[in-house]
Amino acid sequence: GQQVMQIPQYQHVQEGEDFTTYCNSSTTLSNIQWYKQRPGGHPVFLIQLVKSGEVKKQKRLTFQFGEAKKNSSLHITATQTTDVGTYFCRGGNQFYFGTGTSLTVIP
Amino acid sequence: GAVVSQHPSWVICKSGTSVKIECRSLDFQATTMFWYRQFPKQSLMLMATSNEGSKATYEQGVEKDKFLINHASLTLSTLTVTSAHPEDSSFYICSARPPGSTDTQYFGPGTRLTVL
Repeated sequence: GQQVMQIPQYQHVQEGEDFTTYCNSSTTLSNIQWYKQRPGGHPVFLIQLVKSGEVKKQKRLTFQFGEAKKNSSLHITATQTTDVGTYFCRGGNQFYFGTGTSLTVIP
Repeated sequence: GAVVSQHPSWVICKSGTSVKIECRSLDFQATTMFWYRQFPKQSLMLMATSNEGSKATYEQGVEKDKFLINHASLTLSTLTVTSAHPEDSSFYICSARPPGSTDTQYFGPGTRLTVL
């Protein structure tokens, strides 16, 4: 079964505030992938992290892979209404998605 | 990036009927495809792994006689929900793994099934 947990499950933020979701695995991951799913849509690949301690940025999004390769985080700076959706992580050597964090941005 | 299509994008059917969903990799050959289902406000749940030319591998708790999977070619996998019931209503998403990759998956747009 699923071995990847995400927190928080839900997050409501005011537009302009920052947002962070955390992904935790019980096992070491070969890599980690992050996806975004808009309401009514399908998961869209955002990024893949491979190296221990790796940090990658995509505009206002910052992705980090833990040193032990068991956890990861996604941080959004100054959220916008276009950031609304559910963010999932997935361990690269697993076919199971994290439980997801649903982000609501209040304008 | 690679493109995966699904057809139909949505379907409404009567209880007791069967529904076939197609998943196609449009610009690459996929020896392995995956089928997920997603209930509202929940994560994606892997149903089965579909391998071209062989039987699908089903996850625990997924009825293989109810969810028939056929991966007849390197670009097409089908999921047939047999004798559908209202509790089968869900969002079904497929993904395809390109050759030479062990981790990357490209997702289809999903099929929303509503069983009346």
